[in-house]
Amino acid sequence: AQKVTQAQTEISVVEKEDVTLDCVYETRDTTYYLFWYKQPPSGELVFLIRRNSFDEQNEISGRYSWNFQKSTSSFNFTITASQVVDSAVYFCALVNDYKLSFGAGTTVTVRA
Amino acid sequence: AAGVIQSPRHLIKEKRETATLKCYPIPRHDTVYWYQQGPGQDPQFLISFYEKMQSDKGSIPDRFSAQQFSDYHSELNMSSLELGDSALYFCASGIRGGSTDTQYFGPGTRLTVL
Repeated sequence: AQKVTQAQTEISVVEKEDVTLDCVYETRDTTYYLFWYKQPPSGELVFLIRRNSFDEQNEISGRYSWNFQKSTSSFNFTITASQVVDSAVYFCALVNDYKLSFGAGTTVTVRA
Repeated sequence: AAGVIQSPRHLIKEKRETATLKCYPIPRHDTVYWYQQGPGQDPQFLISFYEKMQSDKGSIPDRFSAQQFSDYHSELNMSSLELGDSALYFCASGIRGGSTDTQYFGPGTRLTVL
């Protein structure tokens, strides 16, 4: 069965602090894709990043970076130098049979 | 770049009424997905269509039905609405079997059932 766990319910930081969001997943598939989506207060779901299971190279894209470790089934996401506009709910998700399974989400609040 | 279009953005209905939500996928995307997100919850998969045929079904109530038309737009029909149907309904589109399996979401339709 597919399962995505985001243990952090809420994180509150002051602007310019770094924020790391944890995600742990379970899957029996040997090939899979993992995603992070952002849902700002306006409600839309914005695709942020994608990682496939056969590429463990970690990357940085602007202020976003991610750490994928297959050995521990973790796919953590970091926002560097957070800004107020980063305040949102962040969802980690896993694709199985073309369906997304989401974690419960982590609410990030960035205070000025 | 073109994005997924959903209409209406907001909808208010009474109990036992019907509602129709529309979705226009990104051009050249062959798959449409519908998700329901209750207040404070994560999105839950309802149903998907690949090349105008229903391909997968999730936890979609029997009162709901959906279809994808020849122009690839999709409609989610909801009948005998209940208070618990109040939620944000997302449509997403993607390319099945593509190299990324990425689903791109529309802005959502916020349905309120009174």
